[in-house]
Amino acid sequence: DQQVKQNSPSLSVQEGRISILNCDYTNSMFDYFLWYKKYPAEGPTFLISISSIKDKNEDGRFTVFLNKSAKHLSLHIVPSQPGDSAVYFCAASGASYDKVIFGPGTSLSVIP
Amino acid sequence: NAGVMQNPRHLVRRRGQEARLRCSPMKGHSHVYWYRQLPEEGLKFMVYLQKENIIDESGMPKERFSAEFPKEGPSILRIQQVVRGDSAAYFCASSPANGNTIYFGEGSWLTVV
Repeated sequence: DQQVKQNSPSLSVQEGRISILNCDYTNSMFDYFLWYKKYPAEGPTFLISISSIKDKNEDGRFTVFLNKSAKHLSLHIVPSQPGDSAVYFCAASGASYDKVIFGPGTSLSVIP
Repeated sequence: NAGVMQNPRHLVRRRGQEARLRCSPMKGHSHVYWYRQLPEEGLKFMVYLQKENIIDESGMPKERFSAEFPKEGPSILRIQQVVRGDSAAYFCASSPANGNTIYFGEGSWLTVV
């Protein structure tokens, strides 16, 4: 039972354009959401998070949007750069002392 | 470097041997998580620990796998009698006691031959 879903295994975007990565979740108890970026042979790196009391959080080129009624969140990267090419994982957790559940990941390729 | 430290980075074991993976959390972090990434798959939760206590082990295989986080020293993920299907990348992450964000180490790659 996959509680966090990323339905696009891969995405290609031209350099300078916007990348939009999508994520859906099924567990209504989730109240904290995170995005991680992962390069091959390295550990995931934390990018940005959002709590359920917000619908948007922005950090530089990265913005996360949360639609609680649709149980959907998205990560926007603008402008996209070739160094952004990586696998992006969406993750979610409930209250403190709850494990963090990851989606299957979306592989982003930014084409120069 | 005050990040999450994992060792060894790469480990080769023959079938039937034991594998021990170690993780030292970030300074000030008291909670440790272990995840496994099988080839071509995502990150699967295994276990969540705090010092001397397992909080959630719902993702641990029922046999051969165990984890601990002693009062002193690193967290250890132990795999007994390894099989080829255990070959994977094992990632450790840590968080502060009341934190929601977890930070990962570089991973340990286990190869069973």
